[in-house]
Amino acid sequence: GNSVTQMEGPVTLSEEAFLTINCTYTATGYPSLFWYVQYPGEGLQLLLKATKADDKGSNKGFEATYRKETTSFHLEKGSVQVSDSAVYFCALSDKSGGSYIPTFGRGTSLIVHP
Amino acid sequence: NAGVTQTPKFRVLKTGQSMTLLCAQDMNHEYMYWYRQDPGMGLRLIHYSVGEGTTAKGEVPDGYNVSRLKKQNFLLGLESAAPSQTSVYFCASSSTVPTEAFFGQGTRLTVV
Repeated sequence: GNSVTQMEGPVTLSEEAFLTINCTYTATGYPSLFWYVQYPGEGLQLLLKATKADDKGSNKGFEATYRKETTSFHLEKGSVQVSDSAVYFCALSDKSGGSYIPTFGRGTSLIVHP
Repeated sequence: NAGVTQTPKFRVLKTGQSMTLLCAQDMNHEYMYWYRQDPGMGLRLIHYSVGEGTTAKGEVPDGYNVSRLKKQNFLLGLESAAPSQTSVYFCASSSTVPTEAFFGQGTRLTVV
């Protein structure tokens, strides 16, 4: 079956530091890959996505590249801000059993200090 | 554009009580999902639906029932609430292609 593994948190950084959150996946087909962000007290919202190998998704300074050869989709940001403090979920969508059911990682909490 | 709306936002139940959580989406999505989120466990799929009148079990379906009588609504029922069902519940919807899921704001349920 499909699965997503992401690094455990919390990840604690100082403002303007470089961020990497690792994500690897297992899928039976050729999935689309996503990063979602969850701010405190809110639901998940899409941060970025990539639908095929070597695609780079980007949004709000975050980016991730779909690496089929390493089955990875690592999230990066060059300079984090306090407002980036949130929980980040890696996910995939693949037609498993005839339906596109999203599979999520366990989430990585990011804490950014001033 | 409301997107995905969940009601209620908060609820406290006594053990053994029943309740229904309502999810409504206005994006004409075929797929709808119910997840629960617990500390350290990420999101776990309870039940899902791939279209009006259909439902299917997810990863943790025990103790829950669902119905999808109208395409825009997906109801999650707890027939006899237990403290282990204390959690934050999220509804989501998506279209029939592998695009992103859209989430509601969540329902925080406490069973005492």
